[in-house]
Formats: sequence, C-alpha cells, structure tokens
Amino acid sequence: QSALTQPASVSGSPGQSITISCTGTSSDVGSYNLVSWYQQHPGKAPKLMIYEGSKRPSGVSNRFSGSKSGNTASLTISGLQAEDEADYYCCSYAGSSTNVVFGGGTKLTVL
Amino acid sequence: QLQLQESGSGLVKPSQTLSLTCAVSGGSISSGGYSWSWIRQPPGKGLEWIGYIYHSGSTYYNPSLKSRVTISVDRSKNQFSLKLSSVTAADTAVYYCASYFMVQGVMDYWGQGTLVTVSS
Repeated sequence: QSALTQPASVSGSPGQSITISCTGTSSDVGSYNLVSWYQQHPGKAPKLMIYEGSKRPSGVSNRFSGSKSGNTASLTISGLQAEDEADYYCCSYAGSSTNVVFGGGTKLTVL
Repeated sequence: QLQLQESGSGLVKPSQTLSLTCAVSGGSISSGGYSWSWIRQPPGKGLEWIGYIYHSGSTYYNPSLKSRVTISVDRSKNQFSLKLSSVTAADTAVYYCASYFMVQGVMDYWGQGTLVTVSS
C-alpha cells in the first residue's frame, strides 16, 4: 500500500483535459510544498514533469500544470495528445523520519 | 547536465546481498545541495523510494528497508552504491539511481534502470 493515494487509471480523448489526484496526509502533502510529478513510459525511466507542486522544469510542455489544496495535490494535462499516454506518479517529502513517499501511480489512456 | 548509469549483478540468490553502483557524469557527486538516491520498481508495480545519501555523507533510508540497506559514496570515482542484504523474491525489481535536489524535493536526473532478479 502506497503512502500517497492516486486513482489507478484515468482516460481522455485527444484535445481534452484530465486531472490526476494525489491524496496524502498532514504529515506529507499537507505540510510541505514539495510535491513532484513524474511521467513514465513503458520500459523507460521516470521523467520529472512538475516540482514544488506547480513548477515546470525547462522543456516540459505548459500543457502540464500542478496544484495543491490541503492534503491533495493534482496534476492537470490539457490538450491531451497521444504521447501523453503513460504512467504518472506523485511524490512528496514526508518529514525527517519517513522522508520520501510515492503514490501508487496512475495509468493515463488517451482514447 | 548530469548523466547517471547503474551497473551491477542482474541475478542474486535469495539470502545474499544485492550490490549496485551508479556512475555520475556531467557533474561532481560532491556538489552542494544534491543527494544521491535509489528507487526501485517491482515488475508491473509502482515506484518505491529506497534511500539517499547527502553530499556530506549522511544517509536516509525508507523505514521499511532500513535494516537491510546501505548507501555509500566513492568520491574518487564519482559514483555511489547500494547494498541490500538478505534479499528475497520480493526484492526483484528494476533499480534506478537518481539525483535528489533536496531543497526542491525533486529527483531531476535518473539512470535508465537495471533489472535485478532474485532467484536460486
């Protein structure tokens, strides 16, 4: 059982927007603005898409955006494209004892 | 831009110790602000953080693996290593190394991953 809860799967049609939620607790997501999101295509290493909740690394499309409310962080992908089909993982700092926790991952299907 | 490359044994017998190394290029492993982490992914499952070592040498481990994990740094070779003892089939996974920028809580550069199978 993962420390952060994500939906197992989401889907959308090309051009649509989807949102993936990541629910934690007041000990991780709720306490720190250190949520990151990773995209993973089959057989590939994860790729950083969002950090500090809402910041995009250089080179990541502005179709990807992040937000947080209370103990829940969210990743929104607008203007869905076929290449966005992948697994997405959230990650949060969780304090000095637990340190780093991942979500269970969400499989995005572009219909 | 940092590049990371994992290496090590792809097959480990149960009860033995898994050993992997991550070579870092494009930057110094002693760079301030960076930690060096290990993450694993069992086949068909999600990511699990194993631990990281800070540039100062301080280590932080996943509480569920802490009793079996050791992460160390070899500054002369610009690489860091993972040892996981008393392995079982449940430790079969793709193991990734990654740079961890603690201030922002991000793993920004990743190795390509290496599959380690635990089997007799």
